[in-house]
Amino acid sequence: DTGVSQDPRHKITKRGQNVTFRCDPISEHNRLYWYRQTLGQGPEFLTYFQNEAQLEKSRLLSDRFSAERPKGSFSTLEIQRTEQGDSAMYLCASSLPPGRGDYGYTFGSGTRLTVV
Amino acid sequence: RKEVEQDPGPFNVPEGATVAFNCTYSNSASQSFFWYRQDCRKEPKLLMSVYSSGNEDGRFTAQLNRASQYISLLIRDSKLSDSATYLCVVSKHSGGGADGLTFGKGTHLIIQP
Repeated sequence: DTGVSQDPRHKITKRGQNVTFRCDPISEHNRLYWYRQTLGQGPEFLTYFQNEAQLEKSRLLSDRFSAERPKGSFSTLEIQRTEQGDSAMYLCASSLPPGRGDYGYTFGSGTRLTVV
Repeated sequence: RKEVEQDPGPFNVPEGATVAFNCTYSNSASQSFFWYRQDCRKEPKLLMSVYSSGNEDGRFTAQLNRASQYISLLIRDSKLSDSATYLCVVSKHSGGGADGLTFGKGTHLIIQP
């Protein structure tokens, strides 16, 4: 396990469909984050988990979005009734908590969502 | 005012030159500061943390000015491989890992041969 894995890399979906993305963090990292990035913008924070607990959600995470990390390992991000405005790169990152060595975030390669 | 502001550029710089760019942040309670590098259509990668005393890593030097709430990145002897987008990143928490990092839009750097 050398990094953060995200699946799929690309997803094209029709408006109104539901999509689910998966993130597998670095195994010893207990923190996991979801970010969204659109063209020309920096990544925007969506939510994060410490182990299986979801500790914070951004106001960007509307009711159509839900994230889970049921066993404190991999996480899923689901978007229901997708809209064209949901088209973006969805980035997952993981880290150790503060004070536990290198707390820098490691990002996955992202899932690029296109809603048509 | 946005939380983290950067000049988007692009900065077009000849190879071998020195280039510097700044970033300002609005939250005076910010505790941790970083520069991330992002190549086209790739994920961001941590370039360096930024400490109050300033820090250097090879050709890269980062400075933090808490009074003026800005962060700088200096790249000396620039290489073609330095072409990328540089993201200024701020966290409210020491350690940077608590509730997520706040990213600027990034500064696009193009090193020209």
